[in-house]
Amino acid sequence: EVQLVESGGGFVQPGGSLRLSCSASGFTFSSFAMHWVRQAPGKGLEHLSLIGAEADRTYYADSLKGRFIISRDNFKNTVYLQMSSLTTEDTGVYYCAKDAYNTGRGWFDSWGLGTLVTVSS
Amino acid sequence: EIVLTQSPATLSLSPGERATLSCRASQNVVSYLAWYQQKPGQPPRLLIYDSFNRATGIPARFSGGGSGTDFTLTISSLEPEDFAVYYCQERSKWLQTFGPGTRLEIK
Repeated sequence: EVQLVESGGGFVQPGGSLRLSCSASGFTFSSFAMHWVRQAPGKGLEHLSLIGAEADRTYYADSLKGRFIISRDNFKNTVYLQMSSLTTEDTGVYYCAKDAYNTGRGWFDSWGLGTLVTVSS
Repeated sequence: EIVLTQSPATLSLSPGERATLSCRASQNVVSYLAWYQQKPGQPPRLLIYDSFNRATGIPARFSGGGSGTDFTLTISSLEPEDFAVYYCQERSKWLQTFGPGTRLEIK
């Protein structure tokens, strides 16, 4: 059974940084692209970033303006999202999701439960 | 940037009724469209991919269709557990777009 467990969320002041982690199990992690998706309180879903199976490609939403970095460790079966220069608009639940393919152009066929990030002074 | 529009924003129906949800893309996405279901406090769950393919474990009452710019998700006979928010998603580009969602509520 595929399991994705996010961690690292919490309360941070504007301008601060956080690193989210997503630990994966139940599948061959190094064979699939991974994604981060954000959901602001009471709002819809926003695709933030993807990383290819071998970290050979990364993409970011324009709205992030270069503040976030996605990475992965295929030995630890973990994908990360380093977030910096956080603003109140970054508040939300952050989900990691598994791609159906290795490239990152597939569907999100498994999701973690999410980790809550709250940016507030 | 591709924009997805979902209608209606809210759909009020009773168990046993048929639900039809729509998703319209601002550009041709061929058949690269998926549907997700999200219940309160839960992550989204993939229902349909590539317009009409049911994901693993999804009941047959869920069906999808369409191509190009117009797509539909149909639930043939609503069960109590089907009342949730439904999002469409396109994957024609690297950064994928979600629609704003349709809330399916009990009438």
